[in-house]
Amino acid sequence: EPEVTQTPSHQVTQMGQEVILRCVPISNHLYFYWYRQILGQKVEFLVSFYNNEISEKSEIFDDQFSVERPDGSNFTLKIRSTKLEDSAMYFCASRAQGLGSQPQHFGDGTRLSIL
Amino acid sequence: AQSVTQPDIHITVSEGASLELRCNYSYGATPYLFWYVQSPGQGLQLLLKYFSGDTLVQGIKGFEAEFKRSQSSFNLRKPSVHWSDAAEYFCAVGGGGSEKLVFGKGTKLTVNP
Repeated sequence: EPEVTQTPSHQVTQMGQEVILRCVPISNHLYFYWYRQILGQKVEFLVSFYNNEISEKSEIFDDQFSVERPDGSNFTLKIRSTKLEDSAMYFCASRAQGLGSQPQHFGDGTRLSIL
Repeated sequence: AQSVTQPDIHITVSEGASLELRCNYSYGATPYLFWYVQSPGQGLQLLLKYFSGDTLVQGIKGFEAEFKRSQSSFNLRKPSVHWSDAAEYFCAVGGGGSEKLVFGKGTKLTVNP
């Protein structure tokens, strides 16, 4: 069964450094998402991406965050200058476009630890 | 604002017993409803989904859920729990022209032998 793949599984970064989290969505999917889960809290929506542009974003997704689909297979989340409070599990998701509605499929996540 | 409430933070059941995990939502439009499961160190796996039609939906691993509009609920059930069902279960709501899913806080399931 096709999967969403995320790398790395764990990223440790110094506060203030830039970090890029990578995702390979399911190959025929057209909608892409990032969510995060701070330890002990809910999974929170960050951003959705379709047709090479952001279609929706949350208030969490400020100017420090950006997303990109640099080629036909990867989807990345960049945090420009990390803060301690960015420590969380980051999930990438994708969904197909088709008749009716389609569910989002999630990757295994990247655990980001900011020191 | 959309919200999802999972009233039970932690549930413990014996293997072979039946299971019901509760989920209540607040949503202005007709909701799309989902249950995801997360095993330790793993991502979120889709168990089942409701978009429209039959309010009793079947999912993977023998799970089912029933959408009750009058109660704003989408409870997850399984008639006989297996030890491998131990995990955290998340209810989520979406739809209404928005791309985002809103998740509940999750219910951690422990299965005793």
